[in-house]
Amino acid sequence: DTAVSQTPKYLVTQMGNDKSIKCEQNLGHDTMYWYKQDSKKFLKIMFSYNNKELIINETVPNRFSPKSPDKAHLNLHINSLELGDSAVYFCASSLIESNTEAFFGQGTRLTVV
Amino acid sequence: GENVEQHPSTLSVQEGDSAVIKCTYSDSASNYFPWYKQELGKGPQLIIDIRSNVGEKKDQRIAVTLNKTAKHFSLHITETQPEDSAVYFCAAVEAGGTSYGKLTFGQGTILTVHP
Repeated sequence: DTAVSQTPKYLVTQMGNDKSIKCEQNLGHDTMYWYKQDSKKFLKIMFSYNNKELIINETVPNRFSPKSPDKAHLNLHINSLELGDSAVYFCASSLIESNTEAFFGQGTRLTVV
Repeated sequence: GENVEQHPSTLSVQEGDSAVIKCTYSDSASNYFPWYKQELGKGPQLIIDIRSNVGEKKDQRIAVTLNKTAKHFSLHITETQPEDSAVYFCAAVEAGGTSYGKLTFGQGTILTVHP
């Protein structure tokens, strides 16, 4: 039973397109995150939602729009994709109250051509 | 904001040797320091963590040390095995603060264990 699952695992699309990545967690966590891993493997936070409320919004182009319909889901929509958006995007979740570990999904490798 | 530096960027050892990865952080408010292992094509997975009220923690072949004064922490893997080969990330978190569990990662270390 996968704890944090994201779909799709691979996404190849053309410049200018709009695409979405979905994430779901079944751990009962109250906080979810999107991280971006670039070609040099560097991991950097993009967004965080706590109980469906946006709490962290790093310096990310406004072409990226997260949406959390409920505590268990956090989706990422990207408009007008650019070559530089190519990366691996990871969803993660944690339970803030207990300060426990963050669990990561398997990642979505986005390639913009 | 927090800044985490990690060294070395690559580490190659023979099976059975020890491996040490070091990290420094800048924000004295950080109080939780997890280490993640990322295998090819997978997401990062927690292997060990340490909180600021502890100086050392061990779990079988893996140990982590923390020096709050110097703001550095290290991962030690003993008796390395080929399956330890992966990318390792350190991270710092201000747990319980306004960062809401935001992980600031180091740059990663590619560990290769040769049989």
